[in-house]
Amino acid sequence: EDKVVQSPLSLVVHEGDTVTLNCSYEVTNFRSLLWYKQEKKAPTFLFMLTSSGIEKKSGRLSSILDKKELFSILNITATQTGDSAVYLCAVEGPSGAGSYQLTFGKGTKLSVIP
Amino acid sequence: SAVISQKPSRDICQRGTSLTIQCQVDSQVTMMFWYRQQPGQSLTLIATANQGSEATYESGFVIDKFPISRPNLTFSTLTVSNMSPEDSSIYLCSVFRDREMHGYTFGSGTRLTVV
Repeated sequence: EDKVVQSPLSLVVHEGDTVTLNCSYEVTNFRSLLWYKQEKKAPTFLFMLTSSGIEKKSGRLSSILDKKELFSILNITATQTGDSAVYLCAVEGPSGAGSYQLTFGKGTKLSVIP
Repeated sequence: SAVISQKPSRDICQRGTSLTIQCQVDSQVTMMFWYRQQPGQSLTLIATANQGSEATYESGFVIDKFPISRPNLTFSTLTVSNMSPEDSSIYLCSVFRDREMHGYTFGSGTRLTVV
């Protein structure tokens, strides 16, 4: 059974701090790893990673994948209160429907204090 | 621009009743995915809906409880049947868009409370 483990489960930081969120996985026939930000109901896409060692960057957020050690990290620099959210990691693998599906971790709840 | 329109946004329902959730996509897609997120938990895939065939359900989910319709390539519904308080969750539909900018995109979600 595919498995995604995120750590820490929750984190409280002050504005301006840098945070690193971790995601490790075990999945048969890995295709990609995705990061999402969930503030209310709908997760918002951040990154999709398929290749090891290639950093993806969007503003203050960046992420990298290690397919040998089966993990990914999401970095947020100079955190702001608007970064407060649950960050979800998901891995894409084959589904019983003959396509692909996502398996999600439990998420990391980030709280940024002014 | 919105890719998936999902409704209702929220509902409070009596136990024993059913609720149908709708998702409308702004372009044709082969697969649509339905997820459940119970309070304090992560997203769990309920089923994959493929147009023209029966949905494929994940372990622990059955068609009698969560019937799905997929009448065309832009629309799907999920019904939560004979509801109990344990069905109180956020329900989300999702489609795959691309590998760079959007990944798998989600509808705005339906927050269901069963009383």
